[in-house]
Amino acid sequence: DVKVTQSSRYLVKRTGEKVFLECVQDMDHENMFWYRQDPGLGLRLIYFSYDVKMKEKGDIPEGYSVSREKKERFSLILESASTNQTSMYLCASSSPARGTNIYTGELFFGEGSRLTVL
Amino acid sequence: DAKTTQPNSMESNEEEPVHLPCNHSTISGTDYIHWYRQLPSQGPEYVIHGLTSNVNNRMASLAIAEDRKSSTLILHRATLRDAAVYYCILMAGYGQNFVFGPGTRLSVLP
Repeated sequence: DVKVTQSSRYLVKRTGEKVFLECVQDMDHENMFWYRQDPGLGLRLIYFSYDVKMKEKGDIPEGYSVSREKKERFSLILESASTNQTSMYLCASSSPARGTNIYTGELFFGEGSRLTVL
Repeated sequence: DAKTTQPNSMESNEEEPVHLPCNHSTISGTDYIHWYRQLPSQGPEYVIHGLTSNVNNRMASLAIAEDRKSSTLILHRATLRDAAVYYCILMAGYGQNFVFGPGTRLSVLP
């Protein structure tokens, strides 16, 4: 079975702490994404990466950074956590549809990491 | 990015068909229509996608209007396990960014 694994299902951190959320995929996908999900707001894209060491800002990058040193791993970093970053964080990966260069391939999501910042 | 509009919530009875609508009046010619669903306490999962023609797979069917300004996800026989939030998303064929709106929360009544 294909898999996207997020390192922690639940985390509790204090304001000002540095937080690392890790995501690993075993499908050799080029693209990886970090979303956050909040009630009533749906999923909002924070950052995505289409290759090793490449990153692009999504809709809400402020307060976050990312790292992609290896193809299978995409990390989300909160340099100084704040209470408004309490949320569910979802990692996903995708690849072009087979035999094309069109990015219509399906997104595979991890189970999510619920972060609470006190 | 082109936007989609979905009802906030819908209800269905178990073992009956469900038609989940999505409006996307500003869709462009290269946008694919994707549907995902999110079961409670899980990440979203892919359901189906299409461009112009209707599509079927083991999970659902996708009916796309001739002018492509709307589409309908069809669950042929709803089960309790189909209770989820369903997202309709437009994906540019050359792009890499999926934009998720609030979706439709489907309740299935026994």
